[in-house]
Amino acid sequence: NAGVTQTPKFQVLKTGQSMTLQCAQDMNHEYMSWYRQDPGMGLRLIHYSVGAGITDQGEVPNGYNVSRSTTEDFPLRLLSAAPSQTSVYFCASSYARDSTDTQYFGPGTRLTVL
Amino acid sequence: AQSVTQPDIHITVSEGASLELRCNYSYGATPYLFWYVQSPGQGLQLLLKYFSGDTLVQGIKGFEAEFKRSQSSFNLRKPSVHWSDAAEYFCAVEGNQGGKLIFGQGTELSVKP
Repeated sequence: NAGVTQTPKFQVLKTGQSMTLQCAQDMNHEYMSWYRQDPGMGLRLIHYSVGAGITDQGEVPNGYNVSRSTTEDFPLRLLSAAPSQTSVYFCASSYARDSTDTQYFGPGTRLTVL
Repeated sequence: AQSVTQPDIHITVSEGASLELRCNYSYGATPYLFWYVQSPGQGLQLLLKYFSGDTLVQGIKGFEAEFKRSQSSFNLRKPSVHWSDAAEYFCAVEGNQGGKLIFGQGTELSVKP
């Protein structure tokens, strides 16, 4: 298994540009989520999905869209990038939405918005 | 609202010395608690988790953590630190909906030779 994969690893955008951060998992996990990591703030939940076709907002959803058309993929879209979205983004997945289940994290995407 | 506090932003210990990383949580019910480690440039890896039962939890890489309800704490310990333990450590608690994690700010561990 490749586990949780994320692309790209690094990205630089200009303010106002759009882009999609890709996340895929090959473990047949139902639960997937996106976090952003900022210095001194730990990880904060952006959006999550409990299965294909179902998504919901986390703690910091503004400026981000998600969709879940398949079990494997959970892309994160920035429609109009802003400097405040400069961060490291992590995708995670687990078999179930129950917290007893371990979440597996991808390697992250480091995004800089100029 | 649930929250997690890691009071120490950065800790330096000598190789072979013992380690304790502090974590305090705020949660109304019995919490589900986690410790994750992040090596430089890597994603997060689960070290251990607590749901119920024995308050001393054993994890991978020789780490353990003790849940103390009276102190709202879940401190991470290791008896003898190795240079490869240098990383950032995150404590987390389950959010108010299953599967969502609330993270602390993280503690960066440096290991002196």
